[in-house]
Amino acid sequence: SQQGEEDPQALSIQEGENATMNCSYKTSINNLQWYRQNSGRGLVHLILIRSNEREKHSGRLRVTLDTSKKSSSLLITASRAADTASYFCATAGYSGGGADGLTFGKGTHLIIQP
Amino acid sequence: DAGVTQSPTHLIKTRGQQVTLRCSPKSGHDTVSWYQQALGQGPQFIFQYYEEEERQRGNFPDRFSGHQFPNYSSELNVNALLLGDSALYLCASSYSGDTQYFGPGTRLTVL
Repeated sequence: SQQGEEDPQALSIQEGENATMNCSYKTSINNLQWYRQNSGRGLVHLILIRSNEREKHSGRLRVTLDTSKKSSSLLITASRAADTASYFCATAGYSGGGADGLTFGKGTHLIIQP
Repeated sequence: DAGVTQSPTHLIKTRGQQVTLRCSPKSGHDTVSWYQQALGQGPQFIFQYYEEEERQRGNFPDRFSGHQFPNYSSELNVNALLLGDSALYLCASSYSGDTQYFGPGTRLTVL
């Protein structure tokens, strides 16, 4: 079963605009990660935010995490055509150490119109 | 520095057959995880290997098995293939930490 739910399922915006995607999850987490996938290929890691962090930035990406609401958002600023892809949030729970298996949502398909 | 590699890229099998997929982790990584991604869905966690043992397992039947070798590379085996096993199989590696780096995947088609 999938823990995360991304919203919206699909998003189409003009190049240069900002894109915001949301993710909700159900159980307690150790960290939450965002990945990008182009045309059914491998996933590219974008950013990781830990459960004790509230906001993180990486280039044009900004991620927030609200553990009380069990939700996260990914903001891509000044979008480019190359940002067209599917975006997934993935959560990792607590275990005896090391990297847990990730639980993914169904993804948001982002289309950037030139 | 090579990233995560997987082989083969594509594979076509028939129902009932067995398949083996291979993964080489990123240099310096010791943990390998496998995921199944059906069309239009997010990846689903199959299992994770660390120090040549299965450390975690998702909700997949025993037809799915794996192995990790001393050089940290890994294999995913699926027996008695079903049509529903058609999917993109992704391997990810990590080093005792949180970030998992994914390979390009193996596209399996079961006819």
